[in-house]
Amino acid sequence: SQTIHQWPATLVQPVGSPLSLECTVEGTSNPNLYWYRQAAGRGLQLLFYSVGIGQISSEVPQNLSASRPQDRQFILSSKKLLLSDSGFYLCAWSARFRGLWGYTFGSGTRLTVV
Amino acid sequence: DQQVKQNSPSLSVQEGRISILNCDYTNSMFDYFLWYKKYPAEGPTFLISISSIKDKNEDGRFTVFLNKSAKHLSLHIVPSQPGDSAVYFCAASRGSGGSNYKLTFGKGTLLTVNP
Repeated sequence: SQTIHQWPATLVQPVGSPLSLECTVEGTSNPNLYWYRQAAGRGLQLLFYSVGIGQISSEVPQNLSASRPQDRQFILSSKKLLLSDSGFYLCAWSARFRGLWGYTFGSGTRLTVV
Repeated sequence: DQQVKQNSPSLSVQEGRISILNCDYTNSMFDYFLWYKKYPAEGPTFLISISSIKDKNEDGRFTVFLNKSAKHLSLHIVPSQPGDSAVYFCAASRGSGGSNYKLTFGKGTLLTVNP
């Protein structure tokens, strides 16, 4: 079965510090991978998506970057966090399984920048 | 530019009654629509979906209605239960899969079902 792992669950970081959030999926190959952010009053905003290793598409200009060093690994990074980077970050994947496309989310990371 | 809109931030209903959550979209290229349910501090979980070739899809207590001409969809929950209390997100996409598959979400509606 397919599973998605996202860590850490919560993170408190000072302004100006770096960030690295990791997401890995199991049980599927060559998935599409996504990073979403849920900020107050803004719903779920797509930040990045990737259709393969090293392929990253950015949806909105921001202080963050993403990388996909392996097929089932997706990393969200920042060199210097801003207060506005606070939010709930969600990794998701989609892939074809038994003829159907699924779109599944991880459990999320609550990031608070102080 | 909000392409998927959920204009009601919250909704409160009594247990056993019907909950109706609404969603509007502006992008006429969207042809696949989904509802996700989210509890606090958890990722959203898939609830039900509908393709633009249909106007209704039913799964147990959950029914989604699609009105393409009005670019409007709604989720009906009957009967509502306290465990249904959560944030409900409407999502839309062009196509239902593929290498460029991505979902656009609304802001969500917090449903509270009172015992």
